[in-house]
Amino acid sequence: AQKVTQAQTEISVVEKEDVTLDCVYETRDTTYYLFWYKQPPSGELVFLIRRNSFDEQNEISGRYSWNFQKSTSSFNFTITASQVVDSAVYFCALMETSGSRLTFGEGTQLTVNP
Amino acid sequence: KAGVTQTPRYLIKTRGQQVTLSCSPISGHRSVSWYQQTPGQGLQFLFEYFSETQRNKGNFPGRFSGRQFSNSRSEMNVSTLELGDSALYLCASSLAVGGGRFFGPGTRLTVL
Repeated sequence: AQKVTQAQTEISVVEKEDVTLDCVYETRDTTYYLFWYKQPPSGELVFLIRRNSFDEQNEISGRYSWNFQKSTSSFNFTITASQVVDSAVYFCALMETSGSRLTFGEGTQLTVNP
Repeated sequence: KAGVTQTPRYLIKTRGQQVTLSCSPISGHRSVSWYQQTPGQGLQFLFEYFSETQRNKGNFPGRFSGRQFSNSRSEMNVSTLELGDSALYLCASSLAVGGGRFFGPGTRLTVL
């Protein structure tokens, strides 16, 4: 069975600080996809990134970066120079290619204070 | 390109009633998935439809059902509503399995 763990329930930072959200996953599949989503108070899940298990290259998109380490089954997400608009709940999710469902972590509530 | 749309956005029902929620995927997307989000259970997979066929189903009772139409629009139905069915129901669309799944704004269902 697949499982995603986001150990940090809540994180609070001051604007312009860097913050890393942790994600650890479990799967028996050798091929899978990892996702990050942002959920602002409006409720919609905003897609941030999808990573294929074969691609361990780190990715940077503006202030966002992702560190995928297969050896430790982790897919961490870093926001550089955080802004108040980054305040939201962030979800990490796993999809095994043998199936089609997303398994979500519990989410991390990020609050960025001015 | 228009995103995923869900209607209605808010719904209030009483126990024992039934409800139908609608989801229109992004144009060209043929896969539609449904998820339930509650404070206690988090985000849980309900089912996925692709080309009008249910491809996968989560661990929910038979009161939860769905269907997909030839234009890829999907509906989910919950019969004999219970208080515990109060949740945010999210629909996601994608081109194919493993694609970036794009979610709609959700339907917030309250059961009284």
